[in-house]
Amino acid sequence: DIQMTQSPSSLSASVGDRVTITCRASQGISNYLAWYQQKPGKVPKLLIYAASTLQSGVPSRFNGSGSGTDFTLTISSLQPEDVATYYCQKYNSAPRTFGQGTKVEIK
Amino acid sequence: EVQLLESGGGLVQPGGSLRLSCAASGFTFSGYAMRWVRQAPGKGLEWVSTISGSGGTIYYADSVKGRFTISRDNSKNTLYLQMNSLRAEDTAIYYCAKRHEVGGGGTPAPNDYWGQGTLVTVSS
Repeated sequence: DIQMTQSPSSLSASVGDRVTITCRASQGISNYLAWYQQKPGKVPKLLIYAASTLQSGVPSRFNGSGSGTDFTLTISSLQPEDVATYYCQKYNSAPRTFGQGTKVEIK
Repeated sequence: EVQLLESGGGLVQPGGSLRLSCAASGFTFSGYAMRWVRQAPGKGLEWVSTISGSGGTIYYADSVKGRFTISRDNSKNTLYLQMNSLRAEDTAIYYCAKRHEVGGGGTPAPNDYWGQGTLVTVSS
């Protein structure tokens, strides 16, 4: 099975900072990669799919890139409401594995 | 408006059984694959199972294969997860999620809507 590895596992940044989270697949998955945001105590929310397509209603400060095995989620200017754990997920085939998550906090 | 409402969670002893339900509304239920995803307390997300819109194609995570059964009743717009031989490590919030509408039915797609989840606790 394909493994999904996110890094870092947590980060702390200041409001306005550019934040980058990476997700690496152990084998190529083309662009079948989604990013989800889960705020504390809340349900996961789809941010990006097809590696770089912004889900409707998601702020444009979120950007996804990559293909094959290496993917990146970038928040161009971190806002207080972005405090959350972010997960990548491969969805090209079963098992639809999630990364272990990256917890983003405000410094 | 898409709504997914899970029910059926609770406390069960190891080795016991439980059936979760997910009542769907706001979309053509039979047209979309559905998934179960779980999250153990303080842990990350784990995909559990997927069922196609017709119910004819099903997948399971290795961790639940042979113990859990996913099904759906399109006449009732309801998704199910029958969980048998429950273990302590099955303790989690169980979410149902709808396939994103992007592409056709045969195109891989992520989850776009999630229910609020139902908590399953396996403990003696």
